[in-house]
Amino acid sequence: GQSLEQPSEVTAVEGAIVQINCTYQTSGFYGLSWYQQHDGGAPTFLSYNALDGLEETGRFSSFLSRSDSYGYLLLQELQMKDSASYFCAVDSGYSTLTFGKGTMLLVSP
Amino acid sequence: NAGVTQTPKFRVLKTGQSMTLLCAQDMNHEYMYWYRQDPGMGLRLIHYSVGEGTTAKGEVPDGYNVSRLKKQNFLLGLESAAPSQTSVYFCASSSLALNSTDTQYFGPGTRLTVL
Repeated sequence: GQSLEQPSEVTAVEGAIVQINCTYQTSGFYGLSWYQQHDGGAPTFLSYNALDGLEETGRFSSFLSRSDSYGYLLLQELQMKDSASYFCAVDSGYSTLTFGKGTMLLVSP
Repeated sequence: NAGVTQTPKFRVLKTGQSMTLLCAQDMNHEYMYWYRQDPGMGLRLIHYSVGEGTTAKGEVPDGYNVSRLKKQNFLLGLESAAPSQTSVYFCASSSLALNSTDTQYFGPGTRLTVL
């Protein structure tokens, strides 16, 4: 089976840095993706890690440790518009993704 | 370039009724997916297709059927709707197998209520 664990909710204030963790147990692993979803709308792609280390895209960074089956999404200089749900997803090599249950990020002024 | 579109946006059904959800993409993608999203459950894969004329089961396929007669369209059918199928349904597409940096592009969703 496949399982992904991430916190259900995280809160932070504007301008702060927040880290959303994801641990996974899967039968195969090619990479870890992160998606953002606002208010139940269409999820949108944020980042993908196939190799260990940090990938940076503007204010967002994503980290992967394959040996620890662990990754995180780091959001810097938080803005109100970053309030959303964030999903980690594992690519197990079968042309599909398995998603975590999502982390709701609440950014306050 | 509309990306991924879904029809309808909202629907209310009575138990036992049937319906078809339509997904269309104009990005010439090979891979298409149907997910359902329930509160606190994340996105769960129902069925997917790796090309025209092919379909495969995902994590939660029971009670649903799919067809991919044209590359740009992926249909999701409910033959006899049940209240447990009340959910938000998302379609997605991607251009390559996911052992790459490619991504899935999602449609806006269909909100289905079964009474």
